Amino acid sequence: QSVLTQPPSASGTPGQRVTISCSGSSSNIGSNTVNWYQQLPGTAPKLLIYNNNQRPSGVPDRFSGSKSGTSASLAISGLQSEDEADYYCAAWDDSLNGSVVFGGGTKLTVL
Amino acid sequence: QLQLQESGPGLVKPSETLSLTCSVSGGSISSTSYYWGWIRQPPGKGLEWIGSIYSSGNTYYTPSLKSRVTISVDTSKNQFSLKLSSVTAADTAVYYCARHWRYSGYDYFDYWGQGILVTVSS
Repeated sequence: QSVLTQPPSASGTPGQRVTISCSGSSSNIGSNTVNWYQQLPGTAPKLLIYNNNQRPSGVPDRFSGSKSGTSASLAISGLQSEDEADYYCAAWDDSLNGSVVFGGGTKLTVL
Repeated sequence: QLQLQESGPGLVKPSETLSLTCSVSGGSISSTSYYWGWIRQPPGKGLEWIGSIYSSGNTYYTPSLKSRVTISVDTSKNQFSLKLSSVTAADTAVYYCARHWRYSGYDYFDYWGQGILVTVSS
């Protein structure tokens, strides 16, 4: 059971806009920034969004992030076949001595 | 370009200690504001953070593994290491090392190693 809650799957057709949600609590998303990671099949995760809505260099602006209260979302516009991957949200959690918590991951299928 | 590379045994016996090393190249492990972390992923499952270490030796560990985990750093070799004791089959996973930016309210892993599969089996 992951601390952050994501839907296990999402799908869309090429060109569509899809969103993936991430729900947490006051000790993690509610008080810290959210990051998103993309994991293509058979590869290591890659930082996609940091600080709620910032894109690292090289990440297309089709990817965007947002946060409100204890929830966050990743939006992908102009969906492409190469976007088919697993997506994970993550945040620092202030409970106990602090820790990084991940969502369970969302498998995005491009139909 | 910063690169991280995990190394260590791919097979560990139950009840023994898993030991992995992450070698960092293209940058210094002593860089300000960066921690260095370990994350694992059981086959077919999601990501789990294990812990992170600063070059000074300051560490954070995930509560569920804290009693079995030790992360250490060797700045002279630009490496950091993971030890996980009393392993069981549940510790079978791909283990990733990553650079962990942790400063000014920001907290993210921006560079990752390719990962190493460690299987716990007799």
